[in-house]
Amino acid sequence: AQTVTQSQPEMSVQEAETVTLSCTYDTSENNYYLFWYKQPPSRQMILVIRQEAYKQQNATENRFSVNFQKAAKSFSLKISDSQLGDTAMYFCAFTGAGSYQLTFGKGTKLSVIP
Amino acid sequence: DAGVIQSPRHEVTEMGQEVTLRCKPISGHNSLFWYRQTMMRGLELLIYFNNNVPIDDSGMPEDRFSAKMPNASFSTLKIQPSEPRDSAVYFCASSLEGGARNSPLHFGNGTRLTVT
Repeated sequence: AQTVTQSQPEMSVQEAETVTLSCTYDTSENNYYLFWYKQPPSRQMILVIRQEAYKQQNATENRFSVNFQKAAKSFSLKISDSQLGDTAMYFCAFTGAGSYQLTFGKGTKLSVIP
Repeated sequence: DAGVIQSPRHEVTEMGQEVTLRCKPISGHNSLFWYRQTMMRGLELLIYFNNNVPIDDSGMPEDRFSAKMPNASFSTLKIQPSEPRDSAVYFCASSLEGGARNSPLHFGNGTRLTVT
């Protein structure tokens, strides 16, 4: 069974600064997909970024980028130029190439401080 | 695109009562998921439908929980009888085909259920 671990329950960052959220996972599969979801106070889960394991290039989406280290089974999210609207819970998630199920970590609560 | 629509947004009920949560997936999506979110257990998959057919209900906690998808545009999650430990946020999500590996999973705003 796959597991996803987010070791930082809470983090804070000053507005305009950069912050990195950690995620590690455990799997025996060679091909899989990793995701970061954002859950603001409105409660809706919003996809932030997606990484395919067979792609060595790290995914980027505007201010959001990942550091994918396949051998270490690590998948961290970097948020640059943090904005107040980035305040939210962030969830790391995993799905196998042949699976429909998303396995989520427990989340990291990020607060952006003005 | 109206997104995934869930109702009600909040539900407060007494123990023993029947609760029905509703979901309208995004038009054209043929995969539908029900998730439950609690502080203790995080996000858990309850059931997965593909083309209106339940494919995996192994996450449904007890026989008190049931889910249906009578057509491509509507699904329900029913709890009968409800218990205080069912209190959680219930999410519905849909995707184009087969889940997140093929296309992004779109979540609704969730239903916060409180059973007293």
